[in-house]
Amino acid sequence: GQNIDQPTEMTATEGAIVQINCTYQTSGFNGLFWYQQHAGEAPTFLSYNVLDGLEEKGRFSSFLSRSKGYSYLLLKELQMKDSASYLCAAMDSNYQLIWGAGTKLIIKP
Amino acid sequence: GAVVSQHPSRVICKSGTSVKIECRSLDFQATTMFWYRQFPKQSLMLMATSNEGSKATYEQGVEKDKFLINHASLTLSTLTVTSAHPEDSSFYICSARRGQESSEQYFGPGTRLTVT
Repeated sequence: GQNIDQPTEMTATEGAIVQINCTYQTSGFNGLFWYQQHAGEAPTFLSYNVLDGLEEKGRFSSFLSRSKGYSYLLLKELQMKDSASYLCAAMDSNYQLIWGAGTKLIIKP
Repeated sequence: GAVVSQHPSRVICKSGTSVKIECRSLDFQATTMFWYRQFPKQSLMLMATSNEGSKATYEQGVEKDKFLINHASLTLSTLTVTSAHPEDSSFYICSARRGQESSEQYFGPGTRLTVT
Protein backbone atom coordinates (compact mmCIF):
# COMPACT_ATOMS: atom_id res chain seq x y z
CA GLY A 1 0.00 0.00 0.00
CA GLN A 2 0.91 3.64 -0.12
CA ASN A 3 2.00 5.33 3.07
CA ILE A 4 3.57 8.52 4.35
CA ASP A 5 5.03 8.79 7.84
CA GLN A 6 6.02 11.96 9.63
CA PRO A 7 6.14 12.91 13.31
CA THR A 8 2.92 14.20 14.81
CA GLU A 9 4.40 17.10 16.70
CA MET A 10 7.74 18.80 17.25
CA THR A 11 8.84 21.66 19.47
CA ALA A 12 11.74 24.01 18.80
CA THR A 13 13.10 27.30 20.06
CA GLU A 14 12.99 30.62 18.25
CA GLY A 15 16.22 31.18 16.35
CA ALA A 16 17.14 27.50 16.30
CA ILE A 17 17.10 24.89 13.53
CA VAL A 18 14.60 22.05 13.20
CA GLN A 19 14.46 19.08 10.84
CA ILE A 20 11.14 17.41 10.05
CA ASN A 21 11.52 13.93 8.61
CA CYS A 22 9.22 12.11 6.22
CA THR A 23 9.35 8.57 4.90
CA TYR A 24 7.20 7.40 2.04
CA GLN A 25 6.08 4.30 0.19
CA THR A 26 4.23 4.85 -3.05
CA SER A 27 3.34 3.05 -6.24
CA GLY A 28 5.78 4.82 -8.48
CA PHE A 29 7.22 8.20 -7.64
CA ASN A 30 6.95 11.59 -9.27
CA GLY A 31 8.26 13.84 -6.56
CA LEU A 32 8.00 14.86 -2.93
CA PHE A 33 6.25 18.00 -1.76
CA TRP A 34 6.31 19.97 1.46
CA TYR A 35 3.48 22.31 2.36
CA GLN A 36 2.97 24.67 5.28
CA GLN A 37 -0.46 25.05 6.79
CA HIS A 38 -1.42 27.57 9.43
CA ALA A 39 -4.50 26.85 11.51
CA GLY A 40 -7.69 27.63 9.62
CA GLU A 41 -5.91 28.22 6.33
CA ALA A 42 -5.24 26.19 3.20
CA PRO A 43 -1.79 24.65 2.64
CA THR A 44 0.84 26.74 0.92
CA PHE A 45 3.57 25.25 -1.21
CA LEU A 46 7.09 25.19 0.22
CA SER A 47 9.17 22.83 -1.88
CA TYR A 48 9.29 20.10 -4.48
CA ASN A 49 12.05 17.50 -4.86
CA VAL A 50 12.19 14.88 -7.57
CA LEU A 51 15.95 14.32 -7.72
CA ASP A 52 18.18 13.22 -4.87
CA GLY A 53 19.83 15.97 -2.91
CA LEU A 54 19.23 19.18 -1.09
CA GLU A 55 17.19 22.11 -2.39
CA GLU A 56 17.72 25.34 -0.53
CA LYS A 57 15.25 28.19 -0.56
CA GLY A 58 16.02 30.90 1.94
CA ARG A 59 15.54 29.68 5.50
CA PHE A 60 13.90 26.48 4.27
CA SER A 61 15.67 23.52 2.68
CA SER A 62 14.33 20.17 1.56
CA PHE A 63 16.24 16.96 1.05
CA LEU A 64 15.33 13.81 -0.84
CA SER A 65 16.76 10.30 -0.99
CA ARG A 66 14.78 8.24 -3.47
CA SER A 67 16.61 5.02 -2.66
CA LYS A 68 15.68 5.35 1.00
CA GLY A 69 12.18 6.73 0.46
CA TYR A 70 13.12 9.58 2.74
CA SER A 71 12.86 13.34 2.81
CA TYR A 72 13.34 16.07 5.34
CA LEU A 73 12.43 19.71 5.63
CA LEU A 74 15.00 21.87 7.38
CA LEU A 75 13.97 25.18 8.87
CA LYS A 76 16.69 27.57 9.99
CA GLU A 77 16.57 30.72 12.12
CA LEU A 78 13.15 29.79 13.37
CA GLN A 79 10.63 32.55 13.83
CA MET A 80 7.42 32.50 15.80
CA LYS A 81 5.45 32.73 12.56
CA ASP A 82 6.89 29.34 11.55
CA SER A 83 4.54 27.73 14.06
CA ALA A 84 2.30 25.70 11.78
CA SER A 85 1.67 22.22 10.49
CA TYR A 86 4.04 20.92 7.84
CA LEU A 87 2.61 18.42 5.40
CA CYS A 88 4.69 15.94 3.45
CA ALA A 89 3.14 14.57 0.26
CA ALA A 90 4.50 12.13 -2.32
CA MET A 91 3.24 12.00 -5.88
CA ASP A 92 2.65 8.50 -7.19
CA SER A 93 2.83 7.10 -10.71
CA ASN A 94 -0.66 8.44 -11.46
CA TYR A 95 0.43 11.94 -10.45
CA GLN A 96 -1.80 11.75 -7.39
CA LEU A 97 -0.60 13.21 -4.11
CA ILE A 98 -0.39 10.87 -1.13
CA TRP A 99 -0.51 12.97 2.02
CA GLY A 100 1.09 12.54 5.39
CA ALA A 101 -0.88 13.45 8.50
CA GLY A 102 1.25 16.53 9.04
CA THR A 103 3.73 17.60 11.69
CA LYS A 104 2.63 20.31 14.07
CA LEU A 105 5.61 22.52 14.80
CA ILE A 106 5.50 24.56 18.00
CA ILE A 107 8.02 27.37 18.33
CA LYS A 108 8.83 28.59 21.82
CA PRO A 109 10.48 31.95 22.60
CA GLY B 1 1.98 32.46 -10.26
CA ALA B 2 -1.11 30.33 -10.44
CA VAL B 3 -4.11 31.44 -8.42
CA VAL B 4 -7.04 29.35 -7.30
CA SER B 5 -10.05 30.96 -5.69
CA GLN B 6 -12.89 29.48 -3.69
CA HIS B 7 -16.28 30.92 -2.94
CA PRO B 8 -17.67 31.32 -0.40
CA SER B 9 -14.88 31.44 2.17
CA ARG B 10 -17.33 30.79 4.99
CA VAL B 11 -20.88 29.50 4.98
CA ILE B 12 -23.36 28.64 7.68
CA CYS B 13 -26.40 26.65 6.70
CA LYS B 14 -29.23 24.80 8.37
CA SER B 15 -29.38 21.05 8.57
CA GLY B 16 -31.10 19.56 5.53
CA THR B 17 -30.20 22.32 3.11
CA SER B 18 -27.68 22.15 0.27
CA VAL B 19 -24.56 24.24 -0.15
CA LYS B 20 -22.54 24.85 -3.30
CA ILE B 21 -18.84 25.69 -3.19
CA GLU B 22 -17.06 27.03 -6.25
CA CYS B 23 -13.42 26.53 -7.12
CA ARG B 24 -11.88 28.58 -9.90
CA SER B 25 -8.46 28.64 -11.48
CA LEU B 26 -8.01 32.31 -12.26
CA ASP B 27 -5.01 32.44 -14.56
CA PHE B 28 -4.59 28.94 -15.92
CA GLN B 29 -6.61 26.06 -17.27
CA ALA B 30 -7.01 23.21 -14.84
CA THR B 31 -7.57 19.84 -16.43
CA THR B 32 -7.84 18.26 -13.01
CA MET B 33 -9.24 19.59 -9.77
CA PHE B 34 -9.20 17.94 -6.39
CA TRP B 35 -11.55 18.35 -3.46
CA TYR B 36 -10.29 17.83 0.07
CA ARG B 37 -11.92 17.90 3.46
CA GLN B 38 -10.10 18.64 6.66
CA PHE B 39 -11.47 18.21 10.16
CA PRO B 40 -9.88 20.13 13.05
CA LYS B 41 -6.36 19.01 13.90
CA GLN B 42 -6.40 16.38 11.14
CA SER B 43 -4.66 16.19 7.81
CA LEU B 44 -6.19 16.70 4.41
CA MET B 45 -8.48 13.96 3.22
CA LEU B 46 -8.96 13.65 -0.52
CA MET B 47 -12.65 13.37 -1.32
CA ALA B 48 -12.64 13.24 -5.09
CA THR B 49 -10.71 13.98 -8.25
CA SER B 50 -12.49 15.71 -11.06
CA ASN B 51 -11.41 15.99 -14.66
CA GLU B 52 -12.99 18.54 -16.96
CA GLY B 53 -15.86 17.08 -18.92
CA SER B 54 -15.99 13.74 -17.14
CA LYS B 55 -17.43 12.30 -13.97
CA ALA B 56 -15.54 12.75 -10.76
CA THR B 57 -13.66 9.87 -9.18
CA TYR B 58 -14.58 9.56 -5.53
CA GLU B 59 -12.39 8.15 -2.80
CA GLN B 60 -13.58 5.17 -0.82
CA GLY B 61 -16.10 6.11 1.82
CA VAL B 62 -17.17 9.38 0.18
CA GLU B 63 -20.83 9.39 -0.88
CA LYS B 64 -21.05 10.61 -4.45
CA ASP B 65 -24.78 11.30 -4.15
CA LYS B 66 -24.18 13.52 -1.16
CA PHE B 67 -21.13 15.37 -2.47
CA LEU B 68 -21.94 16.33 -6.04
CA ILE B 69 -19.00 17.48 -8.09
CA ASN B 70 -19.23 19.21 -11.43
CA HIS B 71 -16.21 20.23 -13.50
CA ALA B 72 -17.96 21.91 -16.37
CA SER B 73 -15.06 23.98 -17.66
CA LEU B 74 -11.29 24.14 -17.49
CA THR B 75 -11.49 26.90 -14.90
CA LEU B 76 -14.42 25.93 -12.70
CA SER B 77 -15.35 23.02 -10.48
CA THR B 78 -18.19 22.99 -7.98
CA LEU B 79 -18.85 20.87 -4.94
CA THR B 80 -22.43 20.68 -3.69
CA VAL B 81 -23.03 19.26 -0.25
CA THR B 82 -26.60 18.00 -0.41
CA SER B 83 -28.87 17.63 2.61
CA ALA B 84 -26.11 18.85 4.87
CA HIS B 85 -25.85 17.62 8.45
CA PRO B 86 -23.81 18.94 11.37
CA GLU B 87 -21.23 16.18 10.84
CA ASP B 88 -20.53 17.68 7.40
CA SER B 89 -19.18 20.78 9.10
CA SER B 90 -15.57 20.97 7.99
CA PHE B 91 -12.96 22.88 6.05
CA TYR B 92 -13.29 22.12 2.34
CA ILE B 93 -10.28 22.85 0.14
CA CYS B 94 -9.92 22.54 -3.60
CA SER B 95 -6.75 22.34 -5.61
CA ALA B 96 -6.12 22.54 -9.31
CA ARG B 97 -3.53 20.99 -11.59
CA ARG B 98 -2.48 22.38 -14.94
CA GLY B 99 -2.08 19.12 -16.83
CA GLN B 100 -2.69 15.42 -16.34
CA GLU B 101 0.96 14.70 -15.77
CA SER B 102 1.90 17.91 -14.09
CA SER B 103 3.49 18.12 -10.69
CA GLU B 104 2.11 21.60 -10.19
CA GLN B 105 -0.91 21.67 -7.94
CA TYR B 106 -2.31 24.86 -6.50
CA PHE B 107 -4.62 25.18 -3.54
CA GLY B 108 -7.59 27.41 -3.06
CA PRO B 109 -7.98 29.27 0.25
CA GLY B 110 -10.62 26.87 1.55
CA THR B 111 -14.27 27.12 2.57
CA ARG B 112 -15.34 26.78 6.18
CA LEU B 113 -18.75 25.07 6.28
CA THR B 114 -20.79 25.09 9.46
CA VAL B 115 -24.08 23.20 9.52
CA THR B 116 -26.41 24.10 12.38
